[in-house]
Amino acid sequence: DQQVKQNSPSLSVQEGRISILNCDYTNSMFDYFLWYKKYPAEGPTFLISISSIKDKNEDGRFTVFLNKSAKHLSLHIVPSQPGDSAVYFCAALTNNDMRFGAGTRLTVKP
Amino acid sequence: DTGVSQNPRHKITKRGQNVTFRCDPISEHNRLYWYRQTLGQGPEFLTYFQNEAQLEKSRLLSDRFSAERPKGSFSTLEIQRTEQGDSAMYLCASSPEGGGSEKLFFGSGTQLSVL
Repeated sequence: DQQVKQNSPSLSVQEGRISILNCDYTNSMFDYFLWYKKYPAEGPTFLISISSIKDKNEDGRFTVFLNKSAKHLSLHIVPSQPGDSAVYFCAALTNNDMRFGAGTRLTVKP
Repeated sequence: DTGVSQNPRHKITKRGQNVTFRCDPISEHNRLYWYRQTLGQGPEFLTYFQNEAQLEKSRLLSDRFSAERPKGSFSTLEIQRTEQGDSAMYLCASSPEGGGSEKLFFGSGTQLSVL
């Protein structure tokens, strides 16, 4: 059962524009949400997170929005840079059980 | 380098052989996780240790899979009688106990190919 879904396998944006990556989840018990970034031949690296008691968390160019009623979260990157090109995984956590989405490959074109 | 270290990076084996992977977590991290990732999918949870105790195992972890963390430091994942369906990237991650435990630090993984 896929409890965390990233329905867009890929996204391409122009350098300087905003990148918006989306994630949906089904389990209302998830209480913490994270975004990981993965470059080829490397493991995922933590990017940004948000607790279920918040609806927004910002860190530099990265902002995560959480809509609990819709069971939806999104990652905004602005402005996008070519170095942001990677696969982005959404993850959701409850009781040490972390589930990942299938990932979205972001390509930022110069 | 104080990150999570995994060995080997790549392993090619014939069907039916046994393989063992090693993970050295970040030294002060009590928690250690094994995940499996196949092409086009996100990491799937396999098992989790807190210190030397294996606290959780996924239903994905068949009887052919066994993981150990004997001294609460490094961990090994063994797959017996490998099958072609075992081909995947095996990722290890660690995290501290308490605050920040939700942020997993991943190694670069071991890519297993079963021929």
